[in-house]
Amino acid sequence: RKEVEQDPGPFNVPEGATVAFNCTYSNSASQSFFWYRQDCRKEPKLLMSVYSSGNEDGRFTAQLNRASQYISLLIRDSKLSDSATYLCVVNRGTNAGKSTFGDGTTLTVKP
Amino acid sequence: NAGVTQTPKFQVLKTGQSMTLQCAQDMNHNSMYWYRQDPGMGLRLIYYSASEGTTDKGEVPNGYNVSRLNKREFSLRLESAAPSQTSVYFCASSGFPGQGNKGTINEQFFGPGTRLTVL
Repeated sequence: RKEVEQDPGPFNVPEGATVAFNCTYSNSASQSFFWYRQDCRKEPKLLMSVYSSGNEDGRFTAQLNRASQYISLLIRDSKLSDSATYLCVVNRGTNAGKSTFGDGTTLTVKP
Repeated sequence: NAGVTQTPKFQVLKTGQSMTLQCAQDMNHNSMYWYRQDPGMGLRLIYYSASEGTTDKGEVPNGYNVSRLNKREFSLRLESAAPSQTSVYFCASSGFPGQGNKGTINEQFFGPGTRLTVL
């Protein structure tokens, strides 16, 4: 079993739709969680950190469920510009080298 | 600030050739990383350096060596390239907030990548 698993996708949605991605992790000692966005053939960039209390940034909402060991990303009112691959990242500690990336979920938003 | 820079952007090698990928960051980060990303897959950690003077193996270190030249620079060397090393290579850095460091704790900043093909 992979340490970090994501919905396989791809997700194809119309503009304005709401879409949700899930990510599960296997190490219960994991301490910090992130969603990164990666555009085609570009480097990953941090989209948002995921906090225990949940957090929201505009149309994006991230949730963490430690008991069930999953995190989620909700995108409301999808835009064409949201088309990208979304990577779930889990950190097992605060030290370097403790990050594990999921394989990513690809989202295509269509007009 | 340039952030994280990588050279070269593209490279084609023949099996058995060697090369060094260069990476530099100007964000005063202590930690630096090398990842590879194969088509349709996530990033896999090759090597990392928690601080200047230290390096450690990641998930897929075989066939690679690294050098943390100073706080800014972290290079990745392929001694004898193989077709299985065809991939996109990303360098990244991270640091603790404050002390003039950019980003939140454990947030990694990535370079633009090197697209390597080994024939």
